[in-house]
Amino acid sequence: GAGVSQSPSNKVTEKGKDVELRCDPISGHTALYWYRQRLGQGLEFLIYFQGNSAPDKSGLPSDRFSAERTGESVSTLTIQRTQQEDSAVYLCASKTYLGETQYFGPGTRLLVL
Amino acid sequence: AQTVTQSQPEMSVQEAETVTLSCTYDTSESDYYLFWYKQPPSRQMILVIRQEAYKQQNATENRFSVNFQKAAKSFSLKISDSQLGDAAMYFCAYRSANGGSEKLVFGKGMKLTVNP
Repeated sequence: GAGVSQSPSNKVTEKGKDVELRCDPISGHTALYWYRQRLGQGLEFLIYFQGNSAPDKSGLPSDRFSAERTGESVSTLTIQRTQQEDSAVYLCASKTYLGETQYFGPGTRLLVL
Repeated sequence: AQTVTQSQPEMSVQEAETVTLSCTYDTSESDYYLFWYKQPPSRQMILVIRQEAYKQQNATENRFSVNFQKAAKSFSLKISDSQLGDAAMYFCAYRSANGGSEKLVFGKGMKLTVNP
């Protein structure tokens, strides 16, 4: 079956612009995560969705960051008024409700000029 | 809060040799999972191996095995018979088993080079 997909693969934007990143989880996976990976660093948790429950937004670094998920399918991560420090790879992962392993997408590399 | 530390930023190994990657973590929880993920230049995070903290037996997946020392909070990865395709960034990660978001907490990673 298909894995987690993300689009776009790369995104270059100008400081101050808004960007939207998309994640398509594995079909049937109710849990979805967004992580940020800055250059040379490990992944930082941003937000978690589980079915229709309220999302865990505790990792979002500022109110410029938001995310939505439609049911148990696609999720979009929106960064408003982008800053240069937002430049990073944004990775999405999904898993089943009781599963122990998160499966990752290939990420979106965001460059803010 | 849990933390994961990978103290070696880079390592190299000769093809066919064995290499051990170290990882330590800090937690007050007794029930959790530990993972090693591999990230090649393609950026895709690939699960290498998983260990449940309640299991005393060390996990093994083909050429990959772990040395899990719960009391010492240590979780090292041994790669046997290293292959060129093993070259990648390796990340150690922790996940609570006590419910909640079950987010992964990652170390900073270690770059493994495999020399032919």
